[in-house]
Amino acid sequence: DVVMTQSPRSLPVALGQPASISCTSSQSLVYPDGNTYLTWFQQRPGQSPRRLLYKVSNRDSGVPDRFSGSGSGTDFTLKISRVEAEDVGIYYCMHGINWPYTFGQGTKLEIK
Amino acid sequence: QLVQSGVEVKKPGASVKVSCKVSGESLSGYGISWVRQAPGQGLEWMGWITAHNGNTNYAQKFQGRVTMTIDRLTKTIYMEMRSLTFDDTAVYYCARDLPYTVLAMDVWGQGTALTVSS
Repeated sequence: DVVMTQSPRSLPVALGQPASISCTSSQSLVYPDGNTYLTWFQQRPGQSPRRLLYKVSNRDSGVPDRFSGSGSGTDFTLKISRVEAEDVGIYYCMHGINWPYTFGQGTKLEIK
Repeated sequence: QLVQSGVEVKKPGASVKVSCKVSGESLSGYGISWVRQAPGQGLEWMGWITAHNGNTNYAQKFQGRVTMTIDRLTKTIYMEMRSLTFDDTAVYYCARDLPYTVLAMDVWGQGTALTVSS
C-alpha cells in the first residue's frame, strides 16, 4: 500500500499569515495516463470532509483562490496564502492512484 | 447529494447496515467509496462499489466482514459490516467516486455515527 506522510501534524497560524502543509507518498503518484492523483481535503470541526484540490492543483468549485496545490511525483504541498478564521480544521492528503486509497495522518490548522 | 442513514448503536458481535441515498441525479455510472473515521482519528478508506455492474473492491482489512451493495430502484448504496467490535466505533462516510475522473471523492455524505457498546 502507498504510505502518505503529512507534516506538520499541528499548524498554528496567525490570521492573514500564510500556511503550508507537506505531503509525501511512498511511491510516485503519476498514473500511466500522465496525471498525478493527489487530492487534498479539508475537514472543519463537526463536518464531513470536503474536497479542496484534485490532481495536485485543480481547485474545486467554491474553493477560495488563496488555496493552492503544487508538487510532483512523491512530494506535494498545500498552501494557504492568507489564513482566515474559516480555514480552521484538519487537512488531509490522499492518493488515488490505485486501491486501497490511503490518507495522510492529517494536519490540524488552528489560529494562533 | 448523498444522504446517509442515522445514528446506530450496536452490541459487539452484531451487524450494521448503513445506507447512502443518491438524490438529484442518476445512478448511472456512479461509484461510491466508503470511508470511516474513529473518534479523534484520521480517515480510513474501506472500499468501493460501482453502480455499473455492482463490482466491488475492499480494503484487505475489511475483506470478508464488509459487503457493499446497490439498490438501483431506490438509488441507495449499502455498506454492511458484520462481527462488530469496539474498534468499529466511528463515523462512516460515503463519497461519490469515479476513479481517475474529476468526480473522484468530490461529494460526501453527512456521515453515520456508529457506536459499538455492550
